[in-house]
Amino acid sequence: IAGITQAPTSQILAAGRRMTLRCTQDMRHNAMYWYRQDLGLGLRLIHYSNTAGTTGKGEVPDGYSVSRANTDDFPLTLASAVPSQTSVYFCASSDSTGEGEKLFFGSGTQLSVL
Amino acid sequence: AQKITQTQPGMFVQEKEAVTLDCTYDTSDPSYGLFWYKQPSSGEMIFLIYQGSYDQQNATEGRYSLNFQKARKSANLVISASQLGDSAMYFCAMDGGSNYKLTFGKGTLLTVNP
Repeated sequence: IAGITQAPTSQILAAGRRMTLRCTQDMRHNAMYWYRQDLGLGLRLIHYSNTAGTTGKGEVPDGYSVSRANTDDFPLTLASAVPSQTSVYFCASSDSTGEGEKLFFGSGTQLSVL
Repeated sequence: AQKITQTQPGMFVQEKEAVTLDCTYDTSDPSYGLFWYKQPSSGEMIFLIYQGSYDQQNATEGRYSLNFQKARKSANLVISASQLGDSAMYFCAMDGGSNYKLTFGKGTLLTVNP
């Protein structure tokens, strides 16, 4: 089934550790995104990539980095995790970046930083 | 900057009745799009409906309709004939501006009572 695969599904991480959340899509979408979801705050954009080889900062980029070496993969790295990064992380993609482009979401990664 | 406001943290509705979920937005962009997503307790994000700012007609998708009032900057979601399976978190979102990234509201938790 075509879509977005995120791994791991959940993770408990000690503060200070490095962690990479994986995201792979098989729809050949140009644009990909990372959002975090926190209770009472909705979804907030961390980083995005309009096309392979390019990335951009969203609303809450601090403490996170991304890369887009190819069309399909868009990993999110926490270089040194802190408890405030405890959240549900969603990867998403869209065919293009124009107005009205629907996002397709992965199933999310629940991350707890202790 | 774009802003989405959902003023109802929670809503209750009786099965088979209609319910309106409120969404107001703020933007200086002349062209933008408005979206609604559903997030059931299983966590996935499901696209429901889209309205472009220049669309003359209100969008409809089955039991979902978007009550778009441009002058009031509101984009309320109307669910007709509520079903138990409609119980979920609902997010309003908009795109537009220079990079068309989706900005989400904080969400409304809808509970459908039997």
